[in-house]
Amino acid sequence: DAKTTQPPSMDCAEGRAANLPCNHSTISGNEYVYWYRQIHSQGPQYIIHGLKNNETNEMASLIITEDRKSSTLILPHATLRDTAVYYCIVRVVGGATNKLIFGTGTLLAVQP
Amino acid sequence: NAGVTQTPKFRILKIGQSMTLQCTQDMNHNYMYWYRQDPGMGLKLIYYSVGAGITDKGEVPNGYNVSRSTTEDFPLRLELAAPSQTSVYFCASTTALAEGSYNEQFFGPGTRLTVL
Repeated sequence: DAKTTQPPSMDCAEGRAANLPCNHSTISGNEYVYWYRQIHSQGPQYIIHGLKNNETNEMASLIITEDRKSSTLILPHATLRDTAVYYCIVRVVGGATNKLIFGTGTLLAVQP
Repeated sequence: NAGVTQTPKFRILKIGQSMTLQCTQDMNHNYMYWYRQDPGMGLKLIYYSVGAGITDKGEVPNGYNVSRSTTEDFPLRLELAAPSQTSVYFCASTTALAEGSYNEQFFGPGTRLTVL
């Protein structure tokens, strides 16, 4: 699975959009981009995933560049409850093991 | 559905003691995983299972053992606890879907283990 690079921390004002970047320059053609988040002391929670098209669900939007070497997770109206560590993971879907390889993620602090 | 449940929530062990961390899922998932998370770090995979009777090592398996006799349960065994095993342990599960499906992993609430 490809390696990802994320900033260690970011701040965002409550009510504003939070844009979390992820670099995955060695991504392969059959690897998807996944985002999970971990609120303090809890287990990680799936947010969204994509292959090459932009994706949106009730939690967030995922923007993937045309060359697929980077992506941005967007929380459109951040709340204090969005304060968490956000993990960007790239992996093949439907592989033999379905393993996730976690990096250290980005700690997003939403400020009142 | 209760999802993924883990017991105990907290445990303190003395060096050399043994214990089993329990993990149960009620979603009929065939894939199950054990991770550990040290302070300020991401999760590291200890062991995983792709179905009952099948287990394999992850990134950091030393000092641990697992078994998978049923689809629902995936216990993690620490035989001789060491301070280096102080960590938060998460269990997760997912289902085997065809390529193109997103195979979301569902995580339990974690077990906080301290070895003194």
